[in-house]
Amino acid sequence: GDSVTQMEGPVTLSEEAFLTINCTYTATGYPSLFWYVQYPGEGLQLLLKATKADDKGSNKGFEATYRKETTSFHLEKGSVQVSDSAVYFCALSGSGGYQKVTFGTGTKLQVIP
Amino acid sequence: DVKVTQSSRYLVKRTGEKVFLECVQDMDHENMFWYRQDPGLGLRLIYFSYDVKMKEKGDIPEGYSVSREKKERFSLILESASTNQTSMYLCATQTGGYGYTFGSGTRLTVV
Repeated sequence: GDSVTQMEGPVTLSEEAFLTINCTYTATGYPSLFWYVQYPGEGLQLLLKATKADDKGSNKGFEATYRKETTSFHLEKGSVQVSDSAVYFCALSGSGGYQKVTFGTGTKLQVIP
Repeated sequence: DVKVTQSSRYLVKRTGEKVFLECVQDMDHENMFWYRQDPGLGLRLIYFSYDVKMKEKGDIPEGYSVSREKKERFSLILESASTNQTSMYLCATQTGGYGYTFGSGTRLTVV
């Protein structure tokens, strides 16, 4: 079945540091890929998405590129802020009829001033 | 924007109680989902529905049931709450491009 593997956390960075959170996936067909963010006490929010190979999703300074050859969708940001502290989930949507989304286990990011 | 509303942010229930978690969306989306979120386990799919009165089991349906009598409302029912059902419960609706819109979550504690 479909699966998503993302790097273990927590990740602790100083403000303005470069962020990478690794994500790889296993899926049949051509899934859509997502990053979601969860702030403390909240539900998940869609951060960015990519629906086909070589697409780059971007939002709020975050970027991720759909790499079919390496089955990866790594999240990057050039300069993190304290307000980026949250849990980040990589996810994929398979090609099944009900478009079930499979999530990774989440990576907690803490940005310190 | 699609809005997904979960009726309670925090709930405390006793073991053996029947518990209802409500989720309402304000758009005409067919697909709705219930997940639970636990530390170290990520999100696990409990049940989903792709139409009124339709329901499908997810990965961990044991101890739960669902109801979807109207398109906008999807209820999760804990038939007899147990302490191992203490968790964060997240409802989601499916938007275009196959992504989800989530509610704010209900943190349920069973004592």
